[in-house]
Amino acid sequence: DTEVTQTPKHLVMGMTNKKSLKCEQHMGHRAMYWYKQKAKKPPELMFVYSYEKLSINESVPSRFSPECPNSSLLNLHLHALQPEDSALYLCASSQGMGREFPIGFGEGSWLTVV
Amino acid sequence: RKEVEQDPGPFNVPEGATVAFNCTYSNSASQSFFWYRQDCRKEPKLLMSVYSSGNEDGRFTAQLNRASQYISLLIRDSKLSDSATYLCVVTHNTNAGKSTFGDGTTLTVKP
Repeated sequence: DTEVTQTPKHLVMGMTNKKSLKCEQHMGHRAMYWYKQKAKKPPELMFVYSYEKLSINESVPSRFSPECPNSSLLNLHLHALQPEDSALYLCASSQGMGREFPIGFGEGSWLTVV
Repeated sequence: RKEVEQDPGPFNVPEGATVAFNCTYSNSASQSFFWYRQDCRKEPKLLMSVYSSGNEDGRFTAQLNRASQYISLLIRDSKLSDSATYLCVVTHNTNAGKSTFGDGTTLTVKP
């Protein structure tokens, strides 16, 4: 069972909609991540938060906007997405950002943009 | 050249077979290594960490060869339930702990 919880599990949105993906962990992990995964491809890093501050933005388009309200929560706000943004969005966490900490993933949110 | 490379397979093996996957990495500053398993339409799950001394967990053995810059995963006595995609993950201290994923190796174990 995963200890990172993501909602919703499935989301269908139009290109003019605004929606949000939510992620929660109660393990006291200090680093949280958003990944995007397309079919038959590995997860692709989007954002990293460390101690509630954005530490890595992998040149993600501004139509994706992350937010970390507190140490347990991570949101991904979506606006004016394109059909090619349809993918599995994975939230993950780790104890810290040190190299020795493996990341644990949530079950993901399947996003379809129509 | 990709930073982390895996043989994509697919590997199709009968139950009970032994199968090995290799993963090569290009950044010699790489410090931590992991194998993840991903089932179809599921999230990746940590299978095991890989240490210089090697480590074993039941039927799974992981090895690290720093000189040749590769890691390996050996699965003995394959089960049908081992069918999945296996992802090699590498992190290095020059990139604030950012993890790099290989493209994955697909394993199908057949009866």
